[in-house]
Amino acid sequence: GENVEQHPSTLSVQEGDSAVIKCTYSDSASNYFPWYKQELGKRPQLIIDIRSNVGEKKDQRIAVTLNKTAKHFSLHITETQPEDSAVYFCAAHDRGGSQGNLIFGKGTKLSVKP
Amino acid sequence: GAGVSQSPSNKVTEKGKDVELRCDPISGHTALYWYRQSLGQGLEFLIYFQGNSAPDKSGLPSDRFSAERTGGSVSTLTIQRTQQEDSAVYLCASSSGRGGPYGYTFGSGTRLTVV
Repeated sequence: GENVEQHPSTLSVQEGDSAVIKCTYSDSASNYFPWYKQELGKRPQLIIDIRSNVGEKKDQRIAVTLNKTAKHFSLHITETQPEDSAVYFCAAHDRGGSQGNLIFGKGTKLSVKP
Repeated sequence: GAGVSQSPSNKVTEKGKDVELRCDPISGHTALYWYRQSLGQGLEFLIYFQGNSAPDKSGLPSDRFSAERTGGSVSTLTIQRTQQEDSAVYLCASSSGRGGPYGYTFGSGTRLTVV
């Protein structure tokens, strides 16, 4: 099955700086890579995703890049703001079984200091 | 419904008791997933359903854990003879199920505390 590693586990940046979170996956058949944001005490929410037929996707201050050859993908947040502080999870599509499920990384706690 | 609903939101139980956790997915979503999140930890996959069938039960930690889904809608996760290590937030998610696990929507979770 799929295995996802995520780094770093904690990340502290100054407001306005950029933040980068990296993930690697093990199953070359995986084709879908979403990112979730979980604020304290709340449910995880999808913020951006990418499929394996593209290398990069942007949505305002957030971008995700994918390198299928190296089996890694990254989340980039530019011009960070205090409200970006949260735990971020990457995930990869585990294609075992019928239509598969998502396997998540262990999360990155991002702190943005004003 | 408009979102994924889970009940109860909080459950405190004594060690050795059985508990049932309920998940009501978004209307029309055929795929339903259960995850466990221990304090400060990631999202551990437990089981998923496509319709009423569970193609992948590989994440269930022990035979004390079971889940079912009836009518392609509500799912129940049952933990028998609860242990303190079962304390965690149990999250349910659903997706349309068309082609893959795209666009997961999570519920707010059930916080289980075993004392």
